[in-house]
Amino acid sequence: QKEVEQNSGPLSVPEGAIASLNCTYSDRGSQSFFWYRQYSGKSPELIMSIYSNGDKEDGRFTAQLNKASQYVSLLIRDSQPSDSATYLCAVKRGGADGLTFGKGTHLIIQP
Amino acid sequence: EPEVTQTPSHQVTQMGQEVILRCVPISNHLYFYWYRQILGQKVEFLVSFYNNEISEKSEIFDDQFSVERPDGSNFTLKIRSTKLEDSAMYFCASTSGGGSYEQYFGPGTRLTVT
Repeated sequence: QKEVEQNSGPLSVPEGAIASLNCTYSDRGSQSFFWYRQYSGKSPELIMSIYSNGDKEDGRFTAQLNKASQYVSLLIRDSQPSDSATYLCAVKRGGADGLTFGKGTHLIIQP
Repeated sequence: EPEVTQTPSHQVTQMGQEVILRCVPISNHLYFYWYRQILGQKVEFLVSFYNNEISEKSEIFDDQFSVERPDGSNFTLKIRSTKLEDSAMYFCASTSGGGSYEQYFGPGTRLTVT
């Protein structure tokens, strides 16, 4: 059974601070890891992908992967009120496999 | 920027009726997916489709469901004999393949079964 676990929150962070979101997964065969942002009533929007251990930075976002610990994280620097959303962690094995999603972490950026 | 599109945005149907949800994936993408999200729950994988056949399907994707790529642009999900518990948001996604596994989602179709 493939499971992806996230703290549902809400996680409240002051504007301008760093938001840290975490995710663990159960399937050791997972090869690809993604963070999506979902606003209420909208579809998931891809933010970051990461495939190898270590850090990957894209603008204000940094994804971190540790396959040995089966752990993925997302850091959001200089948090803005527009970052307030639910952040979904998703993993997959490879090729055409579907994504397994966590329930998401509800992030609130306080102005 | 290319996008996945879905129609209709909202579909209301009566229990037992058949519905077809439509998607136009990004034009150069080769892999297509359907997901659903019941209100307040997580996004769940239904099926993946490549080279005109199903690549993978979840336990949710039973005989009630079918997918088709009727032409070079559309990708459809048919739900036969809908049930109340089929009420959900249905998302289509696509990826280019060829080493890129990033899936891009359409805006979704909200299905309400009454």
